[in-house]
Amino acid sequence: AQSVTQLDSQVPVFEEAPVELRCNYSSSVSVYLFWYVQYPNQGLQLLLKYLSGSTLVKGINGFEAEFNKSQTSFHLRKPSVHISDTAEYFCAGLSGGYQKVTFGTGTKLQVIP
Amino acid sequence: DADVTQTPRNRITKTGKRIMLECSQTKGHDRMYWYRQDPGLGLRLIYYSFDVKDINKGEISDGYSVSRQAQAKFSLSLESAIPNQTALYFCATSAQGGTGELFFGEGSRLTVL
Repeated sequence: AQSVTQLDSQVPVFEEAPVELRCNYSSSVSVYLFWYVQYPNQGLQLLLKYLSGSTLVKGINGFEAEFNKSQTSFHLRKPSVHISDTAEYFCAGLSGGYQKVTFGTGTKLQVIP
Repeated sequence: DADVTQTPRNRITKTGKRIMLECSQTKGHDRMYWYRQDPGLGLRLIYYSFDVKDINKGEISDGYSVSRQAQAKFSLSLESAIPNQTALYFCATSAQGGTGELFFGEGSRLTVL
């Protein structure tokens, strides 16, 4: 079955500390991978995407993600978080030939002052 | 103005009532989607449409129907609402032949009493 798995439902981290949000994808999901962010009471917006090429992808707001084919992972990282990064983050992948996007269950990042 | 607009943003209704959620977009995209978001479950695809004459069921279409009135409009109906359809609903669009990147509306929060 196609799937994208986010291993942590909530991640608390102190302000200015580094953070890693984990995502693994199944082999049935293509290697078009995405991270979306949802700020409180808002829709989702694209943070970054991996299509091909360099395995290290840089996104908005200082986030980056590394595509690891051997580990089927696409973890999201930021070296120093801010209060404004408090949000829910969704990993997603393009599945099958129909270009349907499959989402993980989300990780809530709580930045503690 | 938002590129993807959903109406209403909030709606409270009673069991058995018919509800329509509307979505319109100015991005010129052919592909439109309806997702449902529930806490801890991420986003699940209800229906999607790749053009005006193409409508497809997603993973949780039971109890829902859709209408693609024009390239820019895609509405979701609940024929007889039930309490477990209480959720946050998102409309999204993507470009045909694109990377699968989704552009979301701000969501419609539906409460069924």
